[in-house]
Amino acid sequence: GQQLNQSPQSMFIQEGEDVSMNCTSSSIFNTWLWYKQDPGEGPVLLIALYKAGELTSNGRLTAQFGITRKDSFLNISASIPSDVGIYFCAGFSSNTGKLIFGQGTTLQVKP
Amino acid sequence: DAGITQSPRHKVTETGTPVTLRCHQTENHRYMYWYRQDPGHGLRLIHYSYGVKDTDKGEVSDGYSVSRSKTEDFLLTLESATSSQTSVYFCAISGGLAGVNEQFFGPGTRLTVL
Repeated sequence: GQQLNQSPQSMFIQEGEDVSMNCTSSSIFNTWLWYKQDPGEGPVLLIALYKAGELTSNGRLTAQFGITRKDSFLNISASIPSDVGIYFCAGFSSNTGKLIFGQGTTLQVKP
Repeated sequence: DAGITQSPRHKVTETGTPVTLRCHQTENHRYMYWYRQDPGHGLRLIHYSYGVKDTDKGEVSDGYSVSRSKTEDFLLTLESATSSQTSVYFCAISGGLAGVNEQFFGPGTRLTVL
């Protein structure tokens, strides 16, 4: 079945540093989504990408839909303590009509 | 935030007992989903619904059933709970202005089966 490989699995960084994480797949997706999950809560949608090559920003977050449609990355600039959480990528395939999730990247920020 | 509530938020039950989790939405979205989240597995789809009384299986549907008699409610039932079903369960919805691709999640239900 379709699988997403998300990396890194975890990151421990200093406040103010930039962060980068990515997802890759052997399958093509029509949409890439990035979610953040805080402890004890449900995932919250951060950014949605619909076109190959698309670069979209949401505040300090920037995400790109890879040209091959098989990958996506998320950058967080100038990290702050409230960026702590688990970040998930997800790919939507119109062939299956389902969303496939990466395993998540756990981000910890040291003040 | 999307209007999605889940009940109960926490439940402890014993092996072999039936359990029903409820998802309620106020967004009038067509699609509803049940996921489970486990360490090392991320979010996995259990069942989903594409309309009232229209449901289908996801990748981990064994031991679970669902029902949707109204647009706003999607029920997940564990007929006879097992310890392997200890997990955090999330409901999600899609199909509004953002389209079917973007799913919005509820707060989750933490289920422990002893």
